[in-house]
Amino acid sequence: AQSVSQHNHHVILSEAASLELGCNYSYGGTVNLFWYVQYPGQHLQLLLKYFSGDPLVKGIKGFEAEFIKSKFSFNLRKPSVQWSDTAEYFCAVTPYSSASKIIFGSGTRLSIRP
Amino acid sequence: DVKVTQSSRYLVKRTGEKVFLECVQDMDHENMFWYRQDPGLGLRLIYFSYDVKMKEKGDIPEGYSVSREKKERFSLILESASTNQTSMYLCASSAPTVTLGEQYFGPGTRLTVT
Repeated sequence: AQSVSQHNHHVILSEAASLELGCNYSYGGTVNLFWYVQYPGQHLQLLLKYFSGDPLVKGIKGFEAEFIKSKFSFNLRKPSVQWSDTAEYFCAVTPYSSASKIIFGSGTRLSIRP
Repeated sequence: DVKVTQSSRYLVKRTGEKVFLECVQDMDHENMFWYRQDPGLGLRLIYFSYDVKMKEKGDIPEGYSVSREKKERFSLILESASTNQTSMYLCASSAPTVTLGEQYFGPGTRLTVT
């Protein structure tokens, strides 16, 4: 069955530390890839997306993600985190040809110590 | 500014009650979705609709039904609420293109069934 794995359930970092959140998916075909973020008390919103082209995509607030097809991965990165990055982060995958299969990972809670 | 609104932020119901959760979007999107969000499980798709009066089951449709009589409105119905349906319910909408995974979310309804 298709799935999305986020191996880190809770990550705790100090401000200015570098961040990498892992996301791996299991699907053999072409996919669209997304990272969503949910700040405390706010609704889920799109952070960045990959459809095609340059596998390194840049999103809002200094986040970026790299699609590595051979590893079925789409890891999220930020060189220097801020306290305001405290949130829950969800990776999501949509098979290119399907309108009905939107698969979310279980989420990674990120806590930033000021 | 795009907007998805949900009728209630917090709801407390008794076991056996019929519960209606309403969602409205103002983006003229064809696709609408209902998810439940539980800690450690991420987002799980309950139902989605790709057109008025059209619906498809998601991963966990048992105990739920939906209604879409107008394009902008998508309702989730719990016919007989049970305590295991205590959860956060998220509504989302998207355009019907390859960017299906790019969804816009409402603020969520936290439902407690006692």
